[in-house]
Amino acid sequence: KNEVEQSPQNLTAQEGEFITINCSYSVGISALHWLQQHPGGGIVSLFMLSSGKKKHGRLIATINIQEKHSSLHITASHPRDSAVYICAVRAGNQFYFGTGTSLTVIP
Amino acid sequence: DGGITQSPKYLFRKEGQNVTLSCEQNLNHDAMYWYRQDPGQGLRLIYYSQIVNDFQKGDIAEGYSVSREKKESFPLTVTSAQKNPTAFYLCASSTSGTGNIQYFGAGTRLSVL
Repeated sequence: KNEVEQSPQNLTAQEGEFITINCSYSVGISALHWLQQHPGGGIVSLFMLSSGKKKHGRLIATINIQEKHSSLHITASHPRDSAVYICAVRAGNQFYFGTGTSLTVIP
Repeated sequence: DGGITQSPKYLFRKEGQNVTLSCEQNLNHDAMYWYRQDPGQGLRLIYYSQIVNDFQKGDIAEGYSVSREKKESFPLTVTSAQKNPTAFYLCASSTSGTGNIQYFGAGTRLSVL
């Protein structure tokens, strides 16, 4: 069983749609990270959360510590948002990673 | 520009050969990490280092070795003992402390000839 589960695994959306990617985890965490991996492989950190909600441009990340759940929302999606989105949690000295959600936004 | 640099981008290994992947950062970060990514799997931690001259095994350290002689550098050697080395390798760094954001390099794709 993975400590971090993401859904959906794959997601295709039309440009302009509102997108939600979900992450559930089973361990006690000190922080949760949302990462973006582009087709070339490079990874960019989008958010680090320990409570509540954060917003950056069209991206919003929320976390519910009691329910051990986080969501990443993309408003007004654009083809350049196409990437793999990875949820990662820090528990003690360990990082646990989800397998990623592959998002394709069609013009 | 501050950042983390991995080289080479692509690497090929012959049977029985050791190869070394380079990771350099100029972010003045204390902590550095090596991950392996395989299709359909999350990143898995190979080794990490919280401070110079110290490093710890991650979940899948067998067949790999590292050194941390300088703060800026954390090279990973894939030894001949690693029987399935074909994967995408990512290096990351962060400031020390719980839960800090990790900054990733662009990755090295290793294939076996």
